[in-house]
Amino acid sequence: EDQVTQSPEALRLQEGESSSLNCSYTVSGLRGLFWYRQDPGKGPEFLFTLYSAGEEKEKERLKATLTKKESFLHITAPKPEDSATYLCAVQGAGTYKYIFGTGTRLKVLA
Amino acid sequence: DADVTQTPRNRITKTGKRIMLECSQTKGHDRMYWYRQDPGLGLRLIYYSFDVKDINKGEISDGYSVSRQAQAKFSLSLESAIPNQTALYFCATSDRETGDLYGYTFGSGTRLTVV
Repeated sequence: EDQVTQSPEALRLQEGESSSLNCSYTVSGLRGLFWYRQDPGKGPEFLFTLYSAGEEKEKERLKATLTKKESFLHITAPKPEDSATYLCAVQGAGTYKYIFGTGTRLKVLA
Repeated sequence: DADVTQTPRNRITKTGKRIMLECSQTKGHDRMYWYRQDPGLGLRLIYYSFDVKDINKGEISDGYSVSRQAQAKFSLSLESAIPNQTALYFCATSDRETGDLYGYTFGSGTRLTVV
């Protein structure tokens, strides 16, 4: 069964304290792995798509990486405005369906 | 104006009532989706539509129905609401051509409470 597990559930960082969020997945043939950011009271906002092991994508203080079993979202020198819930999703080969993880709630303190 | 607009933003309804959640988009996307978000369960797909004449059930369609009135409009109905349908509902869109490259565009959600 396709599955996505995100850890930790919640993370508190001081401003400037770099860290990583983990997304472990099990899927029959990965078609794509997606990262989204969700702010309170809003819908998820697309960040990255990763397609194959070894691929990396960057946007401002965020960098996403992918292996055959997991993805990491690295946050470098975070700022309070990076506080949000970060969602990971996978899409298996030959399917329309996305499987979402339950997210990591990130709080960055000033 | 938002690319994907959901109405209402919040709704409280009574058990057994029929309720409709509406979604409209200005992205010009052909694919539209309805998701439900519950604490600890993540986003789960209720229904999806790849064009006006194409409607498909997702993983949790029981108790729900949908209508794709136009390319830009996709509504979700709860025929007889029950308390365990209390959740945050999201409409999303994607483009068949660019699809995964840019992910889904989500609306801001409808918070539904069934009492």
